[in-house]
Amino acid sequence: GAGVSQTPSNKVTEKGKYVELRCDPISGHTALYWYRQSLGQGPEFLIYFQGTGAADDSGLPNDRFFAVRPEGSVSTLKIQRTERGDSAVYLCASSLGQELTFGSGTRLTVV
Amino acid sequence: GENVEQHPSTLSVQEGDSAVIKCTYSDSASNYFPWYKQELGKGPQLIIDIRSNVGEKKDQRIAVTLNKTAKHFSLHITETQPEDSAVYFCAAHQAGTALIFGKGTTLSVSS
Repeated sequence: GAGVSQTPSNKVTEKGKYVELRCDPISGHTALYWYRQSLGQGPEFLIYFQGTGAADDSGLPNDRFFAVRPEGSVSTLKIQRTERGDSAVYLCASSLGQELTFGSGTRLTVV
Repeated sequence: GENVEQHPSTLSVQEGDSAVIKCTYSDSASNYFPWYKQELGKGPQLIIDIRSNVGEKKDQRIAVTLNKTAKHFSLHITETQPEDSAVYFCAAHQAGTALIFGKGTTLSVSS
């Protein structure tokens, strides 16, 4: 596609449930990033892939968060045992060089 | 790791006036400084960027300046228009690491 696609655009889940958020990057972009954005804040780095491997996962807040990119294209962010504090917009971005292109995000609400 | 501070957090100007947003960064190894504009319900969109080998860059009504010695960079918008109203984020990056964002500036342009 022409841009970064994130699905779903909105997700409401109950506390304790498992969720998966999907990101389709721009074709050919080798790097893929996940960020989390809370209301009124800047995007907070979670994890960065170069190809299939996680080059930097230092932003993942705890072991409930995990991300994969098995074929070096689509990525899935997985959150186990969701908590109300996980509610935020999860942004994905891809790049070929240093210029990142963002998707519109997935708004996750944990009730 | 990199830390980016952004000021002011909110900025209100009259249409036609200029707006200036300032950022500082902590890691002298950072060499790429993009600015993103985010409208409600959308992902951040790159509007201009500057690399460390350049002191100033202009694109129509927007310009960025970089002072590597002081680790400061700024966004200048001239002849502001109501459609410039949005949240603006500065960021800092070095190759192979995550792009780190400031907390954002909400710009309001009134006509």
